[in-house]
Amino acid sequence: NAGVTQTPKFRVLKTGQSMTLLCAQDMNHEYMYWYRQDPGMGLRLIHYSVGEGTTAKGEVPDGYNVSRLKKQNFLLGLESAAPSQTSVYFCASSWGQGSAFFGQGTRLTVV
Amino acid sequence: AQRVTQPEKLLSVFKGAPVELKCNYSYSGSPELFWYVQYSRQRLQLLLRHISRESIKGFTADLNKGETSFHLKKPFAQEEDSAMYYCALRGSNYKLTFGKGTLLTVNP
Repeated sequence: NAGVTQTPKFRVLKTGQSMTLLCAQDMNHEYMYWYRQDPGMGLRLIHYSVGEGTTAKGEVPDGYNVSRLKKQNFLLGLESAAPSQTSVYFCASSWGQGSAFFGQGTRLTVV
Repeated sequence: AQRVTQPEKLLSVFKGAPVELKCNYSYSGSPELFWYVQYSRQRLQLLLRHISRESIKGFTADLNKGETSFHLKKPFAQEEDSAMYYCALRGSNYKLTFGKGTLLTVNP
């Protein structure tokens, strides 16, 4: 029962570097989400997808890009990392009428 | 626009005391409301959905459309209930929005 798996779990980047966070789910869920979690700010939606090949902006999309080429994967990209993007990133997936299942999180530090 | 407000960042109660975590929402249509819990250093997990109207770990929540609220209640708090609690709303466009969370501490 893998559920939702995020790769990597931890990462340290230098300012200006790029990276991609991978979210994989094995539950055949249609909907996938990327959030960032910061102290006092809760979970803020970055981007989400309502199906393969579709993406939509959330509350804080600037500085991030996403792709959903395969139904089971949702990739979050940082083209030029900034210290303000230091955060814990969570991926989630769900069916239309069901609850969301979360990954274990990726702790990203940008120095 | 959809919005979820959790007015309390921190809530501290003693073991055995009742607890209520407040959640208010703003949405023009018919929302789905959820409560998620995050124990220390763990992933978020579902606690309640308003559709199912069930009680999990002694917690209940009732959707009040007139007051646009979905408060979480438990009559007798336990130490193991200490965690971060998030209220969430999903709209008709399947956008899932969370509040800022309430950190509940249950003291012995």
